[in-house]
Amino acid sequence: EAGVAQSPRYKIIEKRQSVAFWCNPISGHATLYWYQQILGQGPKLLIQFQNNGVVDDSQLPKDRFSAERLKGVDSTLKIQPAKLEDSAVYLCASSAGTDLLQETQYFGPGTRLLVL
Amino acid sequence: AQSVAQPEDQVNVAEGNPLTVKCTYSVSGNPYLFWYVQYPNRGLQFLLKYITGDNLVKGSYGFEAEFNKSQTSFHLKKPSALVSDSALYFCAVRRSGGYNKLIFGAGTRLAVHP
Repeated sequence: EAGVAQSPRYKIIEKRQSVAFWCNPISGHATLYWYQQILGQGPKLLIQFQNNGVVDDSQLPKDRFSAERLKGVDSTLKIQPAKLEDSAVYLCASSAGTDLLQETQYFGPGTRLLVL
Repeated sequence: AQSVAQPEDQVNVAEGNPLTVKCTYSVSGNPYLFWYVQYPNRGLQFLLKYITGDNLVKGSYGFEAEFNKSQTSFHLKKPSALVSDSALYFCAVRRSGGYNKLIFGAGTRLAVHP
C-alpha cells in the first residue's frame, strides 16, 4: 500500500512570495490533514478535510494560508504572501475516517519550507 | 483545553538498557493517546495508541506504553534499546468526540549509545 505522498520535499523562497504544496493521501482515506511543524515543536494542525469539506480550520491563518481538496482526493496548501515565521515543515496526513477504530493518522515525508 | 507535556527534551540510553520516554496529558473526558516516531527528513510514523482496555499497550518495533489514569501519564517504554531507536518521539492526545484532532507534545529526542 502506497503511503502519503507530498511534493516538493524542499522549497526556498523570499518573504512576500507565494508557495504551494501538494499532498496525495493513502488511497481510500476520507480524511486529510495539514500540519505545520516549526523547528523544536510538535506538529500543529492547520486544517482538516473530511472528503472535500473542511471540518476544522481554526488554526489556519486565513489571511495568508489557503487549502483545497476539490475532488476529495489530493490537496494543495498555499501561502501568499509568505512571512519569515512560516519557515517550517508542512506535514500532510490521512486517515480512513474519524471513527475511533479508524483514527490512526498516517503522515507523509513533509515539505521543508525556508523563507528568506 | 487539552494539552500534552513531554518533560524531557532529550533522553540518553546505552544500547541494551531499558528506555522510558515520559508523557503527561491534560484533557476533559476520556483521553485517546498516541505515540509517533520521527526519523531525520521523514514524516511521523505511528507506534501505538491507547483507546480503552488494558493499560499496557504494545506497539511496533518492540515498544510499549503504560496508561496511568491517576497520574495522567502515558510513558513509552522498551525493555532493551537499540542504536536504531535513536529518533524524535512525539506523544499526542485526542479527546473523545470531536473530529480526530490530535494535540502533540514538543517531542523528546532519544539517543541510544553503543
